Amino acid sequence: TQLLEQSPQFLSIQEGENLTVYCNSSSVFSSLQWYRQEPGEGPVLLVTVVTGGEVKKLKRLTFQFGDARKDSSLHITAAQPGDTGLYLCAGGVMEYGNKLVFGAGTILRVKS
Amino acid sequence: ETGVTQSPTHLIKTRGQQVTLRCSSQSGHNTVSWYQQALGQGPQFIFQYYREEENGRGNFPPRFSGLQFPNYSSELNVNALELDDSALYLCASSSPPRVDEQFFGPGTRLTVL
Repeated sequence: TQLLEQSPQFLSIQEGENLTVYCNSSSVFSSLQWYRQEPGEGPVLLVTVVTGGEVKKLKRLTFQFGDARKDSSLHITAAQPGDTGLYLCAGGVMEYGNKLVFGAGTILRVKS
Repeated sequence: ETGVTQSPTHLIKTRGQQVTLRCSSQSGHNTVSWYQQALGQGPQFIFQYYREEENGRGNFPPRFSGLQFPNYSSELNVNALELDDSALYLCASSSPPRVDEQFFGPGTRLTVL
């Protein structure tokens, strides 16, 4: 059974600070997705990384996939109140079907 | 391009009843996956449909069943509802070769009393 451990569970920071969210597993994933979810809504895809060691940047967000494709990180530079939300990592598992295994999520609150 | 849509938005049922949730996939996507998200948790994979066939199933009992139609839309049926079935049910669509790059709908909030 594949599991993804996400940390921290909750993060409260001031506007302008930097932060990193981590996603770790003992399993290898075919890909790693990061989503952001607002209360009562579905997750919105931010990025997909598929190659070990891959780094992708989306404005102030930097995503990295571990060399062994077992872990990932999301770094936000100069956080803004609009970044507030639930961040979810999800690993792609290509076996019978192509399911996503989700972490429990990180609740980010950015105070102005 | 039309995104993933789900209906209804909210639903209240009583224990033992049956429920059907509906999903329309994003334009051009032929694979639909269903997830259950309990409060404070990440989504859990229920099953996936591709070309109208079940193409993968998570650790959910047989009273959770589904269908996919020729236009790639899908239904999730849950029989004999239990209190623990209360959750946000999410539908996601994708398409080969990147079936793991899934785009989610807004979800259906099911409350079982």
